[in-house]
Amino acid sequence: EAGVTQSPTHLIKTRGQQATLRCSPISGHTSVYWYQQALGLGLQFLLWYDEGEERNRGNFPPRFSGRQFPNYSSELNVNALELEDSALYLCASRLGTGQDEQYFGPGTRLTVT
Amino acid sequence: QQQVKQSPQSLIVQKGGIPIINCAYENTAFDYFPWYQQFPGKGPALLIAIRPDVSEKKEGRFTISFNKSAKQFSLHIMDSQPGDSATYFCAASRDTDKLIFGTGTRLQVFP
Repeated sequence: EAGVTQSPTHLIKTRGQQATLRCSPISGHTSVYWYQQALGLGLQFLLWYDEGEERNRGNFPPRFSGRQFPNYSSELNVNALELEDSALYLCASRLGTGQDEQYFGPGTRLTVT
Repeated sequence: QQQVKQSPQSLIVQKGGIPIINCAYENTAFDYFPWYQQFPGKGPALLIAIRPDVSEKKEGRFTISFNKSAKQFSLHIMDSQPGDSATYFCAASRDTDKLIFGTGTRLQVFP
């Protein structure tokens, strides 16, 4: 069974540009979570999508947004990139009701110059 | 109240030793406590998890001890191996919501 996949692996953008990161959950999983892992700041929750709806968002500015598609894949968009947005962006998926386990993908390394 | 405090920040043991990583939380509404292992350049991998109605859980060489009254839980790695050298994160969540992570422990196991 394939795990969570993310694309691209690496992304280099300049300040002020927009970045789009993609995530495909494990087959059958309906929930997708996004986390940011910045150097020295640990893993911080960004967004949670379940059945196409945004269920919760972390303490990040509105220029971080996303969506979940009917096939449960998800997209994270970061507008007006700032240098401090440089981080590893991790996607995790969860099976659904009654299941707590979140399984992470390999991440997208975003570098803002 | 949303924080999960993890210690130590780093840990060095010899092969065969039993490293212990500790975490503490404040929010008594948390109902799920997983541990993740992360190698450099990789995403975190779920190792083992526990719910507050259980005081201990073992999976292979990994054991979680849970103390509900003290609001603490810990990870023990039995017979540690050099391949266990990685960063370990504890986490907590409520009602399948976001995971709140500890700050991580970098473990090095020397032969």
